[in-house]
Amino acid sequence: GAGVSQSPSNKVTEKGKDVELRCDPISGHTALYWYRQSLGQGLEFLIYFQGNSAPDKSGLPSDRFSAERTGGSVSTLTIQRTQQEDSAVYLCASTELTSGGGELFFGEGSRLTVL
Amino acid sequence: AQRVTQPEKLLSVFKGAPVELKCNYSYSGSPELFWYVQYSRQRLQLLLRHISRESIKGFTADLNKGETSFHLKKPFAQEEDSAMYYCALSSPSGNTPLVFGKGTRLSVIA
Repeated sequence: GAGVSQSPSNKVTEKGKDVELRCDPISGHTALYWYRQSLGQGLEFLIYFQGNSAPDKSGLPSDRFSAERTGGSVSTLTIQRTQQEDSAVYLCASTELTSGGGELFFGEGSRLTVL
Repeated sequence: AQRVTQPEKLLSVFKGAPVELKCNYSYSGSPELFWYVQYSRQRLQLLLRHISRESIKGFTADLNKGETSFHLKKPFAQEEDSAMYYCALSSPSGNTPLVFGKGTRLSVIA
């Protein structure tokens, strides 16, 4: 059974380096989310892709963060010039419904540690 | 603005005791409300949604529009209920992102 797949599961990088995190959503799911999960902050919304609509980027914390979704499927979250405060678990989720009430299916997350 | 507040970061209860995880929200209109749960070393997953009006694993949640609350309740806590619980809100149309609270860690003590 194909759930949401994220890679890498763990990434350790040095401050100032760029990182790319990948998300493979469930096939056929039209909507894809990126969240950041850190201690004391809960789940912070980052970006939301819905079908062919322009993505909702309102949660991206700075211009160092960007994301794209190619062909309506795979998504990549890029963090440029990483900082220590970027250390967190980055979660991807997808859902098939376009209206409210759809269940989000989460990946296992990518744990990013910036030294 | 849409906002979800979970006032308790940590809640500890004894096995067999009742448990209530609080959730308050801010939204103009009638939102869709959810509870998600993350057990140790598992993925975040949907527990229940208010529109379904169902009980999952003994948990229920009632939407109180007057108090803008969606508290999660279980009459008798079990050790396997220990997990991180997140309350979440979305618009009925689904064209806005799902907004989560900061979560409450439930610890059930044997």
